[in-house]
Amino acid sequence: DTGVSQDPRHKITKRGQNVTFRCDPISEHNRLYWYRQTLGQGPEFLTYFQNEAQLEKSRLLSDRFSAERPKGSFSTLEIQRTEQGDSAMYLCASSTLSGGELFFGEGSRLTVL
Amino acid sequence: GENVEQHPSTLSVQEGDSAVIKCTYSDSASNYFPWYKQELGKGPQLIIDIRSNVGEKKDQRIAVTLNKTAKHFSLHITETQPEDSAVYFCAAKVPRLTFGTGTRLTIIP
Repeated sequence: DTGVSQDPRHKITKRGQNVTFRCDPISEHNRLYWYRQTLGQGPEFLTYFQNEAQLEKSRLLSDRFSAERPKGSFSTLEIQRTEQGDSAMYLCASSTLSGGELFFGEGSRLTVL
Repeated sequence: GENVEQHPSTLSVQEGDSAVIKCTYSDSASNYFPWYKQELGKGPQLIIDIRSNVGEKKDQRIAVTLNKTAKHFSLHITETQPEDSAVYFCAAKVPRLTFGTGTRLTIIP
């Protein structure tokens, strides 16, 4: 399967714990995006990378959130000191430099107790 | 920033009938308008898109129309089938995608 893969698919954690999600994009895609989706809503943009450079961050990305793409391949999204409001589906997507179609992964669902 | 509004939030149609979902956007600089389908437990998947220099695009049973003057675009699904049941999202891009709130489409057999 050469699509976007995300790991883990589900994560249950206690409030205050740190969590990390990993995204492996389609190999030839230079751009990688993170979105957050809550129940009944559309995906909300968090941040995106072009190769290893983080080009834009949403105001939704508080100081507790950090994303990296160290070698321009896979990316990680870390949430520190999780809060119940962080419970959501975290979606990763990738695209070519033309930035047209975004190819989404299946998402990582976070539940904070 | 861009604001995308989508209507209706839920839509039920008889199998074989047509379904129409409408979106409006706020930023006149938006130049790319995709539609995504999301099935339960899966990530969104692109079904059709249109760029700002085109007014209409069709792909088999699916069509999208764009009115740049009015800043709205619509998804049309004809001859609906049970497998069309899903949540549909419109989006607009300048420079990265902003999504609407989604339409849950249910096809009644």
